Amino acid sequence: QSALAQPASVSGSPGQSITISCSGTSSNVGKYNLVSWYQQYPGKAPKVIIYEVDKRPSGVSIRFSGSKYGNTASLTISGLQAEDEASYFCCSYGGKGTVIVGGGTKVTVL
Amino acid sequence: QVQLVQSGAEVVKPGASMRVSCQASGYILTDHSIHWLRQAPGQRLEWMGWINVGDGNRQYAQNFQGRVSFTRDTLATTAYVEMSGLRSEDTAVYYCARWAASLYDFWGQGTLVTVSS
Repeated sequence: QSALAQPASVSGSPGQSITISCSGTSSNVGKYNLVSWYQQYPGKAPKVIIYEVDKRPSGVSIRFSGSKYGNTASLTISGLQAEDEASYFCCSYGGKGTVIVGGGTKVTVL
Repeated sequence: QVQLVQSGAEVVKPGASMRVSCQASGYILTDHSIHWLRQAPGQRLEWMGWINVGDGNRQYAQNFQGRVSFTRDTLATTAYVEMSGLRSEDTAVYYCARWAASLYDFWGQGTLVTVSS
């Protein structure tokens, strides 16, 4: 079961927008609108920030948004802030009860 | 409020077994499946599988079949993962997470398992 492909790192200056991609296949990301995104600080448990492609849980900043086109999902962080410096990973339902996790992207705020 | 509290760090010898627990509170354990994931140092998160706490059904990721076992104790509101034949590459932080139909909405704090002689 291969991981979803994410860039290893993305960086941006405060106030800028960045986008992280999450590439899968027609059997997972392309087939199901069950992509979620998680933010993880070093040594901490992940926290969900986007689910079902583009839904934001209560309490998550509106600066986080999600989308999907074909077999690729994307997470956009608008108005980048220092506190956004963390790792982000995507998850997708893979069918037949499986979940596939992305490789993770480290976001650096310059 | 919902909480998943995991057992403490373990150091185990190569070839030995480990068991990590995940105690749930603040919700009815049988209403959600518990998934297990792990993250080796500097590596990506890896999905291990899940257990339906209500009926005991479970599914293991291909990479872990035969070495991992998920169990639950509904009376104690606790789920467990056991892994045998540990190798150095099994050194990782092991997480339990609650699956809420389409997302992991709550996570345990993680348990570091170190495989070392």
